[in-house]
Amino acid sequence: DTEVTQTPKHLVMGMTNKKSLKCEQHMGHRAMYWYKQKAKKPPELMFVYSYEKLSINESVPSRFSPECPNSSLLNLHLHALQPEDSALYLCASSYEGGSSPLHFGNGTRLTVT
Amino acid sequence: RKEVEQDPGPFNVPEGATVAFNCTYSNSASQSFFWYRQDCRKEPKLLMSVYSSGNEDGRFTAQLNRASQYISLLIRDSKLSDSATYLCVVNRNTNAGKSTFGDGTTLTVKP
Repeated sequence: DTEVTQTPKHLVMGMTNKKSLKCEQHMGHRAMYWYKQKAKKPPELMFVYSYEKLSINESVPSRFSPECPNSSLLNLHLHALQPEDSALYLCASSYEGGSSPLHFGNGTRLTVT
Repeated sequence: RKEVEQDPGPFNVPEGATVAFNCTYSNSASQSFFWYRQDCRKEPKLLMSVYSSGNEDGRFTAQLNRASQYISLLIRDSKLSDSATYLCVVNRNTNAGKSTFGDGTTLTVKP
């Protein structure tokens, strides 16, 4: 069982829709991440929050907007996505950045039509 | 050259075989090393952290060679359930929060 919970598991959205992905962890981790993974590729970092502050944005298009309401929650707001944004979106957490391993959620499989 | 490179695979081995994966990293400032396994359409799961002294967990042994800048994963007595993609992950602790993933090596264990 994963200790990082993501909802929804699957999401289909049109290019004009607005939706949000949610992630929650109760391990007391201070760093939370959003990754995007395409088929047969490794996860690709999008954002890092460290102590509830955005510390890394990997030049992600503004149609993806992260939010960290508190130390246990991480959201990813989606708006005006493109079909090429279809992918598995993974949330992860770690005790702190750097030396700590990542713990991934089950992911949200997103399809943009 | 990629910062983290893995054997491209795929590796197809019979049950009971011993299989080894290597992963090289180019940045000598790298400090933390991990192996993850990822099943098809699932999330990556931490398999092992890799320590300088080497570490073992049942049938799995991980080694780190800092001088040559590579890590390895050895799987003994392969099981069908070991079939997965194995991802090598390297962290530079000074760049907090940024892990570098290898492209992964796919293992298929056949009966």
